[in-house]
Amino acid sequence: KAGVTQTPRYLIKTRGQQVTLSCSPISGHRSVSWYQQTPGQGLQFLFEYFSETQRNKGNFPGRFSGRQFSNSRSEMNVSTLELGDSALYLCASTPSSVAGGYEQYFGPGTRLTVT
Amino acid sequence: DQQVKQNSPSLSVQEGRISILNCDYTNSMFDYFLWYKKYPAEGPTFLISISSIKDKNEDGRFTVFLNKSAKHLSLHIVPSQPGDSAVYFCAATESNFGNEKLTFGTGTRLTIIP
Repeated sequence: KAGVTQTPRYLIKTRGQQVTLSCSPISGHRSVSWYQQTPGQGLQFLFEYFSETQRNKGNFPGRFSGRQFSNSRSEMNVSTLELGDSALYLCASTPSSVAGGYEQYFGPGTRLTVT
Repeated sequence: DQQVKQNSPSLSVQEGRISILNCDYTNSMFDYFLWYKKYPAEGPTFLISISSIKDKNEDGRFTVFLNKSAKHLSLHIVPSQPGDSAVYFCAATESNFGNEKLTFGTGTRLTIIP
């Protein structure tokens, strides 16, 4: 099976602009989560989508939003970019079945730099 | 409020010896724990997990120990190999169906010295 893919891998934007990141989960995985990784902060949970609905949400401002399509692909949008949004944005997928198992499988990430 | 803490930002271990990475958590609702390994320019890779009904889980060279009363877990790598040099993240979650939020520590950079 192909792994989680994320596009683009690298992005440079200017303060005030908006950006859209894309994630394709592993085939058959219905849940997609997004995380932000910054130096010294580890991975911070942004939100999770399941069956096109946001099911879990982290503590990020409303400038961060996302959506999921019927084929489970997901996009994340950040509006009015700030310098502090520079980070590695990671997408992860999981089958999310009642059989259990909470392992998430990560993509390579999108490195966003805001100047 | 850091609910999962990895207090050692870095660790150096001689090749062939045991590497021990530690993790503490504060949220008593966490009942499922995971370790991930991350190389530069790659996403984290799942290594091993443990449910709170167990106190030990083993997979090859990797063993995770959980001490619920101390809210502490550790990852043992034996023997350590150069390819183990990476950043290791501890993560925790509440194992309810529908909850896919993982709470991560800040990571420990492990360097294996040949």
